[in-house]
Amino acid sequence: EAQVTQNPRYLITVTGKKLTVTCSQNMNHEYMSWYRQDPGLGLRQIYYSMNVEVTDKGDVPEGYKVSRKEKRNFPLILESPSPNQTSLYFCASRGQREGYEQYFGPGTRLTVT
Amino acid sequence: GNSVTQMEGPVTLSEEAFLTINCTYTATGYPSLFWYVQYPGEGLQLLLKATKADDKGSNKGFEATYRKETTSFHLEKGSVQVSDSAVYFCALTPGGGSTLGRLYFGRGTQLTVWP
Repeated sequence: EAQVTQNPRYLITVTGKKLTVTCSQNMNHEYMSWYRQDPGLGLRQIYYSMNVEVTDKGDVPEGYKVSRKEKRNFPLILESPSPNQTSLYFCASRGQREGYEQYFGPGTRLTVT
Repeated sequence: GNSVTQMEGPVTLSEEAFLTINCTYTATGYPSLFWYVQYPGEGLQLLLKATKADDKGSNKGFEATYRKETTSFHLEKGSVQVSDSAVYFCALTPGGGSTLGRLYFGRGTQLTVWP
């Protein structure tokens, strides 16, 4: 089954404790992205990757890091989480052709206290 | 720049009512346009898309037409059902080049349909 998986689905952590949210896709997609969803703000793109070792900033990259060492994986790293990073996070992937839909993972709800 | 403005909710309708959710955009180049739906507690699913001017996307009774002259992509459904209750997001991918990895979303419209 074609899918995007994220782990963990739920995470409660404390300020400053480094964490990683994993994302994996099995569709051999070139593009992968991370978004955060906040009430009243919709979804905002954090980082995206166009292929292995190619990443770029989205609209809200501050406080986040990503890496793309393998085509299927695109982890999101919070080196020193802060309470304003409490949010619902989605990973997505899509194929290379223009107009292809993005496939979204189920989401990770992160709470930073 | 690139942005999407959509009608803010919440929208509350009775079953079988007509639905319109307005969406307008600004974009560089020739964008592709999308409507995504998010059911309670779930991720986003593509509802429909249009990749060039005058294209009509349709799925599950929903329709939207890519209007370049009015920079709009309004979502419509003739007769909504309780099961359509969800949050709807309008989105765009700019045309061409290094912006292909970008996806810009509107703020979402919460739709509630009562029986």
